[in-house]
Amino acid sequence: NAGVTQTPKFQVLKTGQSMTLQCAQDMNHNSMYWYRQDPGMGLRLIYYSASEGTTDKGEVPNGYNVSRLNKREFSLRLESAAPSQTSVYFCASRDRTSGRGNEQFFGPGTRLTVL
Amino acid sequence: GDSVTQMEGPVTLSEEAFLTINCTYTATGYPSLFWYVQYPGEGLQLLLKATKADDKGSNKGFEATYRKETTSFHLEKGSVQVSDSAVYFCALSSGGSYIPTFGRGTSLIVHP
Repeated sequence: NAGVTQTPKFQVLKTGQSMTLQCAQDMNHNSMYWYRQDPGMGLRLIYYSASEGTTDKGEVPNGYNVSRLNKREFSLRLESAAPSQTSVYFCASRDRTSGRGNEQFFGPGTRLTVL
Repeated sequence: GDSVTQMEGPVTLSEEAFLTINCTYTATGYPSLFWYVQYPGEGLQLLLKATKADDKGSNKGFEATYRKETTSFHLEKGSVQVSDSAVYFCALSSGGSYIPTFGRGTSLIVHP
C-alpha cells in the first residue's frame, strides 16, 4: 500500500497563476482532508470531505476549491494564487466506519511558493 | 468547541535526557486522544493513541496516559535520542465530528 500520495512535491507559481494539488489514498477511507501548515500556526484545515460526494469548508477555505473525484482522490485547486498561499499543504485520510480511535494518515506534503 | 493546548517550544534537550511534552484538552463527551510526530520534511504520522480514560498509549519508547480527571495526555520518554528531533502534535477526535482537533505542535531538538 502506498498510503496517501500527493503531487507535486514542490511547486513555484507566480501571483495570479492557477494550479491543482492532487491527492490519492489506497486505504478505502471515507474521509479526506486538506491542511496547510505555516510556521507558528500549526495545521489549519482548508476543506474536508466526510464521504464521497460531499465537501465542506474548514477553517481557512478562502482562495481554494476542492473536488472529491471519487473515493480515492481529493484535489485542491488554487484559482488565482497569492503570496499569502505560500505554505506546505498536506492531504490526509481517515476511516470513519471502523469505530473510535481512528487516526488520520497524512501524505508527504506539497511545498508551494507563490512569488 | 473542542480544543487542544500544548506547551510552547522549542524544547531543547541533551541526548538521554527525560522528555515531557504537556497536552491538555477540552472536549464534549469522551474523545480519543493522539500524538503525531512530524520529522523534518515529512508529513505527520501517528506516534500513539488512547481511546478511553486511563488507557496508556506507547510506541518507540514514548508513552502517554489518558487522564480524564485532569483532561491531559502528556507525552513522555525516558531517554531521548538525536533521532527523536521532530515536531510533536497532540490531537483529539470526538465521536460526533469528522474533524480532528490539533494542538499547535511542539518542536523537540535533541543535541548529542
